[in-house]
Amino acid sequence: DAKTTQPPSMDCAEGRAANLPCNHSTISGNEYVYWYRQIHSQGPQYIIHGLKNNETNEMASLIITEDRKSSTLILPHATLRDTAVYYCIVRGNTGANSKLTFGKGITLSVRP
Amino acid sequence: GAVVSQHPSRVICKSGTSVKIECRSLDFQATTMFWYRQFPKQSLMLMATSNEGSKATYEQGVEKDKFLINHASLTLSTLTVTSAHPEDSSFYICSARWGGRNEQFFGPGTRLTVL
Repeated sequence: DAKTTQPPSMDCAEGRAANLPCNHSTISGNEYVYWYRQIHSQGPQYIIHGLKNNETNEMASLIITEDRKSSTLILPHATLRDTAVYYCIVRGNTGANSKLTFGKGITLSVRP
Repeated sequence: GAVVSQHPSRVICKSGTSVKIECRSLDFQATTMFWYRQFPKQSLMLMATSNEGSKATYEQGVEKDKFLINHASLTLSTLTVTSAHPEDSSFYICSARWGGRNEQFFGPGTRLTVL
């Protein structure tokens, strides 16, 4: 039972920023927001995660709202290879809450 | 990120046979490993969680006698699909995590086709 909701799909132009939204209005105080992506017929790839502060790494930036009820994954300069299903997942640190439960994700299509 | 491998990447077997899939963490010790299954056009479904040296914990609806999981070392977990049937055809993906880190890394998946 995924705790997040994402639009089913979106597209963006190559070279432009891709902003992928995620709602997690029932997130608990000790739960993290994780983002993974899955390119067709491959295993999921970890992208980034955060608790309440914005995070940035070499792949993406994660912007979490102050109330933590939503977040946005930003791919600053999308390429064709970024076409994939992106999963936003809420996960705690202990017990059953520490499992990664995948929803349907959002399919990002990067067009030339 | 850490590397998780799976073997084989693809397997075709006859109905009624058993198939073993290996999952290895190549550059870290995985205290916990997870097995997922993904049917076409669907999301990943967690099948079971295993901690090194302990019995696996299966998700509701997953038959433990059909999907045998062994996590005998900190770098290896195996999933054996016993008496496979065509409805077991799926993409099986393992994942590994180690204590003290929040990231969970996934293998490339194994495509099982049961004829």
